[in-house]
Amino acid sequence: GQNIDQPTEMTATEGAIVQINCTYQTSGFNGLFWYQQHAGEAPTFLSYNVLDGLEEKGRFSSFLSRSKGYSYLLLKELQMKDSASYLCAVRVFTGGGNKLTFGTGTQLKVEL
Amino acid sequence: DTEVTQTPKHLVMGMTNKKSLKCEQHMGHRAMYWYKQKAKKPPELMFVYSYEKLSINESVPSRFSPECPNSSLLNLHLHALQPEDSALYLCASSQDGADGYTFGSGTRLTVV
Repeated sequence: GQNIDQPTEMTATEGAIVQINCTYQTSGFNGLFWYQQHAGEAPTFLSYNVLDGLEEKGRFSSFLSRSKGYSYLLLKELQMKDSASYLCAVRVFTGGGNKLTFGTGTQLKVEL
Repeated sequence: DTEVTQTPKHLVMGMTNKKSLKCEQHMGHRAMYWYKQKAKKPPELMFVYSYEKLSINESVPSRFSPECPNSSLLNLHLHALQPEDSALYLCASSQDGADGYTFGSGTRLTVV
């Protein structure tokens, strides 16, 4: 099985920077994804890391350390619309193919 | 077309009913997935189809029966469900690359 852990809740101020951490323990690692999900909506893809290092995409960056089983999502210049659940998801390769398993999710609240 | 379309958006069914959830994508993705999401929880993988064949079943009860009629369609047949099966059912598709999984907006199922 896999353990994928994230903080349950975080609060940050509009315009600030926030870092959401994710730790995982798994075998057959084949990539780590970050998704954003607003209440009642589908998850939307934010970023993907398969090699160690930082991937930057506009206001969002994601970092991966495979040896430490650790990733973070960095959100800059926070906006009110960034209030949502942020899901770390690990893709593993199994005998049946790839499967994507989600972490517990972090509920981010952006305040004025 | 870069969407995954799910129908119906909402479904209320009795415990003796038989119903089906439908999912469609026209992105040429070779893998399709069913996830179940309870309130304030992350999505949980149920089934994976790869090249129209069932490749992963996450020990889902037989009252849920998936079907992949062709590479663009994925169905989930429901029979004799329990009230605890009430949840948001999400369909997703992917090419298993770096572009992530594309999720549909889900079917909100209520079993009464």
